[in-house]
Amino acid sequence: AQSVSQHNHHVILSEAASLELGCNYSYGGTVNLFWYVQYPGQHLQLLLKYFSGDPLVKGIKGFEAEFIKSKFSFNLRKPSVQWSDTAEYFCAVTPSGNTGKLIFGQGTTLQVKP
Amino acid sequence: DTGVSQDPRHKITKRGQNVTFRCDPISEHNRLYWYRQTLGQGPEFLTYFQNEAQLEKSRLLSDRFSAERPKGSFSTLEIQRTEQGDSAMYLCASSLAYSSYEQYFGPGTRLTVT
Repeated sequence: AQSVSQHNHHVILSEAASLELGCNYSYGGTVNLFWYVQYPGQHLQLLLKYFSGDPLVKGIKGFEAEFIKSKFSFNLRKPSVQWSDTAEYFCAVTPSGNTGKLIFGQGTTLQVKP
Repeated sequence: DTGVSQDPRHKITKRGQNVTFRCDPISEHNRLYWYRQTLGQGPEFLTYFQNEAQLEKSRLLSDRFSAERPKGSFSTLEIQRTEQGDSAMYLCASSLAYSSYEQYFGPGTRLTVT
């Protein structure tokens, strides 16, 4: 069965530290990949997405992610985090040409200390 | 606000009662998805509609759960004979079909079964 694994469940960083959140998926075919973010008290919103082309994708608020097909990975990065990045981050995949239903990882809670 | 809306935002019910949730998608979106999220987990797919047709249901969706989208606009999710294990956040998302599969999420309905 298709699944998504996020390695870090809870990450605590100081402001200006660099961030990398791991995401691996299991699916043998072509996939579309997403990172969603949920800020405290808000609903899920899209951070960035990958469908095809350049495996390094840039999203909102200075986030980027790199798709490494050989490793089935789509790790999220940010060079310098801010206190306002405190949120829960979810990696998700959907097989290309499919129904579009998203398969989510279990999420990573990021706490940024001022 | 022209985003996805859900009603009610919170519902407390006693075990054995029936509950119904409503989702209003973004008006031009023809796909509508329901997900369930429990504490510490990512959202899990329940079902989705394209226009008024329910095209896929997860095995998670027992026969106590039913969803409708009668005119291809809003959708309802009903849970009959609620159980404590149904306590969760129920999320609705909408998207355009045959596009970027970007799903826009609503704020969710938090169900507590006592």
